[in-house]
Amino acid sequence: NAGVMQNPRHLVRRRGQEARLRCSPMKGHSHVYWYRQLPEEGLKFMVYLQKENIIDESGMPKERFSAEFPKEGPSILRIQQVVRGDSAAYFCASSPYRDNYEQYFGPGTRLTVT
Amino acid sequence: RKEVEQDPGPFNVPEGATVAFNCTYSNSASQSFFWYRQDCRKEPKLLMSVYSSGNEDGRFTAQLNRASQYISLLIRDSKLSDSATYLCVVSPTGTYKYIFGTGTRLKVLA
Repeated sequence: NAGVMQNPRHLVRRRGQEARLRCSPMKGHSHVYWYRQLPEEGLKFMVYLQKENIIDESGMPKERFSAEFPKEGPSILRIQQVVRGDSAAYFCASSPYRDNYEQYFGPGTRLTVT
Repeated sequence: RKEVEQDPGPFNVPEGATVAFNCTYSNSASQSFFWYRQDCRKEPKLLMSVYSSGNEDGRFTAQLNRASQYISLLIRDSKLSDSATYLCVVSPTGTYKYIFGTGTRLKVLA
């Protein structure tokens, strides 16, 4: 049973470019969460999605960031016009149920903005 | 005050030692509690959920004190492979949100 998969594992972008991060949840999991971890900081919730629905994006910056989880295919976190401050590790997690349930994390995508 | 607070450490302990970490949380409505382990530049991995009655998994014991709003993790007979950052996670009642502490670093020394 494959775990949560994320790609790419490392992504380098110049300022102003777009970054697309992909996440495939564990088999049987329909709930996907994105977190960001800045250097030397804890993980911060960004967005929670189910298939074709954004349930909660309260942790997402208002501009340049968007997320989707289409009916087919992985969940995508998209960052437009990246800035140096976007450099971080972005982790995706999935769970089979919603509230107060264990979440399983993917290996993360390390984004570096030069 | 942070929602979830942990002593960042590092805790440097010899192999075989017993070490304990505490984590305090501010939201009394918190429902679910977890300990995750994170190795350097890797993803968090679930170590154990924390139940009201406390729970044990091999060398690891987790306790919850709702009155004082803290959870603890005890590691007995420390191994070199236990060296990692231990993340405390709190989830308020009826939500999916995980609120992470910044982690406690443990280094087990030979």
